[in-house]
Amino acid sequence: ELKVEQNPLFLSMQEGKNYTIYCNYSTTSDRLYWYRQDPGKSLESLFVLLSNGAVKQEGRLMASLDTKARLSTLHITAAVHDLSATYFCAVDIGGATNKLIFGTGTLLAVQP
Amino acid sequence: NAGVMQNPRHLVRRRGQEARLRCSPMKGHSHVYWYRQLPEEGLKFMVYLQKENIIDESGMPKERFSAEFPKEGPSILRIQQVVRGDSAAYFCASSPLGTEEFFGPGTRLTVL
Repeated sequence: ELKVEQNPLFLSMQEGKNYTIYCNYSTTSDRLYWYRQDPGKSLESLFVLLSNGAVKQEGRLMASLDTKARLSTLHITAAVHDLSATYFCAVDIGGATNKLIFGTGTLLAVQP
Repeated sequence: NAGVMQNPRHLVRRRGQEARLRCSPMKGHSHVYWYRQLPEEGLKFMVYLQKENIIDESGMPKERFSAEFPKEGPSILRIQQVVRGDSAAYFCASSPLGTEEFFGPGTRLTVL
């Protein structure tokens, strides 16, 4: 069974600092997503990573994918309070369904 | 192009009642996924449907839960004889070709 693990589960950081969230998964996949979820809200798609070595950046967030290591990272640069949310990675298992297996989530709290 | 729509957004049921959750996919999307999010957890896949067909229901509880996606109208997730453990947020996602999924706002079910 595919497992997707994120760490840390909770991250408290100060504004202006950098940090990385890690997403490990246990089987091969060629498609990985990062989502943001604010409390009581739906999921906002941040990045779709489609191939080994893919790197995407949007504002203060940068995501990368290493399919050989089965690892994706979400790097936060110079955090601001508005980035406070829960971040999920999700792995597409492909095949006939393309269903997503979600990580446990990382609750990010950026302190002023 | 309207996004994925779900209704109701909030639903309160007493134990033993039935809950019906509706999902209208984005225009042109014929693939629908249902996910459940328990409090403080990530999303868990429940079922994947195409028009008039259930493709993968491996995440559905064996009893009380059913899903359909008729030729006309929205997809319905039906929970019979609800119990407190069914309280969760239920998200629907749609995709055009079984690739990237677009999430709806979710239905938050509370069972009293």
